[in-house]
Amino acid sequence: SYELTQPPSVSVSPGQTARITCSGDALPKQYAYWYQQRPGQAPVLVIYKDSERPSGIPERFSGSSSGTTVTLTISGVQAEDEADYYCQSADSNGTYVFGTGTKVTVL
Amino acid sequence: EVQLVQSGAEVKKPGESLNISCKGSGYSFTSYWIGWVRQMPGKGLEWMGIIYPGDSDTRYSPSFQGQVTISADKSISTAYLQWSSLKASDTAMYYCARLTAVAGFHWFDPWGQGTLVTVSS
Repeated sequence: SYELTQPPSVSVSPGQTARITCSGDALPKQYAYWYQQRPGQAPVLVIYKDSERPSGIPERFSGSSSGTTVTLTISGVQAEDEADYYCQSADSNGTYVFGTGTKVTVL
Repeated sequence: EVQLVQSGAEVKKPGESLNISCKGSGYSFTSYWIGWVRQMPGKGLEWMGIIYPGDSDTRYSPSFQGQVTISADKSISTAYLQWSSLKASDTAMYYCARLTAVAGFHWFDPWGQGTLVTVSS
């Protein structure tokens, strides 16, 4: 089955840049999406179509894609960005998959 | 405002049946797919399946096919996730989310607040 692999954790100091990768064989052919899940809350979409930002999402969140890897970048990390982040994509059979998830810790 | 509101937390015994709901508002309920996502305690997100309320077309993840039933009542803008015989391993938070699936783009937004299901004897 299709899998999306993320690093389990990323630690970053306030004001620094956090980069979270997501790898999957189908990513060159399918867009990726990113969700933020703060503790005890439902997920929230922060990036769609690899690099688009929904309205209301701060500009410090950005996305990029290169081959089989997509990357979520949080520039100027703030304490409120401490959360779990999940990538998501679709495969050619019309099924959906979430990445393994990355816990971002703000030191 | 587009909103999905889910039913409240449930505590059930193994073998019991359960039906949880997800009510959409602020948009045309019959024009978007609704997806269900499981999150077991301390774990990640797992896609379970989707339904198109307009015609009840339903698709399941192979991991959940035969384990749950997804349905919808478009007259009251509500989607459902059903179990006929719960197991302790069904203990999890369940989220519904609206799926935008257009021309190769597929994303879940917004999400319901989640329904916690606890199965214990």
